[in-house]
Amino acid sequence: DLQMTQSPSSLSASVGDRVTITCRASQSISNHLNWYQQKPGKAPKVLIYATSSLESGVPSRFSGSGSGTDFTLTISSLQPEDFATYYCQQSYSNLKTFGQGTKVEVK
Amino acid sequence: QVQLVQSGAEVRKPGASVKVSCKASGYTFTNYGISWVRQAPGQGLEWMGWISAYYGDTNYAQKLQGRVTMTTDTSTTTAYMELRSLRSDDTAVYYCVREADFGGVIVLFYWGQGTQVTVSS
Repeated sequence: DLQMTQSPSSLSASVGDRVTITCRASQSISNHLNWYQQKPGKAPKVLIYATSSLESGVPSRFSGSGSGTDFTLTISSLQPEDFATYYCQQSYSNLKTFGQGTKVEVK
Repeated sequence: QVQLVQSGAEVRKPGASVKVSCKASGYTFTNYGISWVRQAPGQGLEWMGWISAYYGDTNYAQKLQGRVTMTTDTSTTTAYMELRSLRSDDTAVYYCVREADFGGVIVLFYWGQGTQVTVSS
């Protein structure tokens, strides 16, 4: 299966900080990379799809970039409601895979 | 509006099977594929497999091949996921997810509420 390696696995940050999460694919996936946010006890929700397209209703402080094998999710100014776990996911292959997740915690 | 309503929590003994249902509404069922994703306690998301609601074609994660079967019933717009030979590490919340196609990029867009499956002797 195509592997997705996400880093870091966790990070501590303060409100207002700029946060960057990276995701690397084991082979080129073009732009078939999505980002999800999950809060405890809830199903994940789509933040960004096709590498850089912001899902409707998602604040503009979230952005995505990259292509091929290396991708980034950036939160420009962390807000209290952004403390959550973030997952990348590739849909280039028929066997879709997730990264291991990044937990964003309060510093 | 799109809704995916899953069946309730299940408890099984090791070696048994479980079948989780996912009732879809608010869209044309056969137009979209359904993926199943699970999450063990304190762990990340694991994609389990996919089924075409129209053709019934399936793709399964390698590690689950031979133990998982995904099916759909178009007459009741319901998807099913059956997992056999259950082990303790199959204890997880199981989600059904309806896909969406954004310019050729498939997104796991609409999520069911999740079904807790507990495997314990």
